[in-house]
Amino acid sequence: QVQLVESGGGVVQPGRSLRLSCAASGFTFRSYGMHWVRQAPGKGLEWVALISYDGGNKYYLDSVKGRFTISRDNSKNTLYLQMNSLRAEDTAVYYCAKEKEEYSGYGPGFDYWGQGTLVTVSS
Amino acid sequence: DFVMTQSPDSLAVSLGERATINCKSSQSVLYTSNSKNYLAWYQQKPGQPPKLLIYWASIRESGVPDRFSGSGSGTDFTLTISSLQAEDVAVYYCQQYHNTPYTFGQGTKLEFK
Repeated sequence: QVQLVESGGGVVQPGRSLRLSCAASGFTFRSYGMHWVRQAPGKGLEWVALISYDGGNKYYLDSVKGRFTISRDNSKNTLYLQMNSLRAEDTAVYYCAKEKEEYSGYGPGFDYWGQGTLVTVSS
Repeated sequence: DFVMTQSPDSLAVSLGERATINCKSSQSVLYTSNSKNYLAWYQQKPGQPPKLLIYWASIRESGVPDRFSGSGSGTDFTLTISSLQAEDVAVYYCQQYHNTPYTFGQGTKLEFK
């Protein structure tokens, strides 16, 4: 069965860095676009970034452009989110999510999600 | 960016009654080249990740009960639960995947009356 397991969250001071990982199993990872979505405590969902199945295309939320980098290692079935210059407003649970269709990047939706990892940015 | 606005923000419905949640996009999510609406609906229960319910605005995800249905086109969409069950209490989100950033609505909290 499909599993997505995030790790790497924690408490970090403003301006510091953190790298999140998402270990994937149960499907052909290299065939699917992958996303990061975040949810601040008690708030709604916010899409953060997308990487195409081959890593060739990457897209970001404007507020994280230049600070966050999405990447993947298809040989390790792992998705990453490098987060630099962290701000208090980046505090959230970060989910990785799988595109529903192979080779897509344009939906139709995210059919599997991890349980999330909490990132807290605080001094 | 596409702004997705859901209504209402919260909704209280009796067991067995119909629940209707609306989602309006600031721009059309319909691709005329393939006549598909790039819109999905998700359900999120406390302490859990979201679950995909509906994609292409009206296609039910595998395993989703048929009391859930999606409708609409262009900029106006609706998620309907035909007969509310206990396990349907959750927050529901619409999402457009027509263009990045793939924006979500603010969520609608569905409760029992």
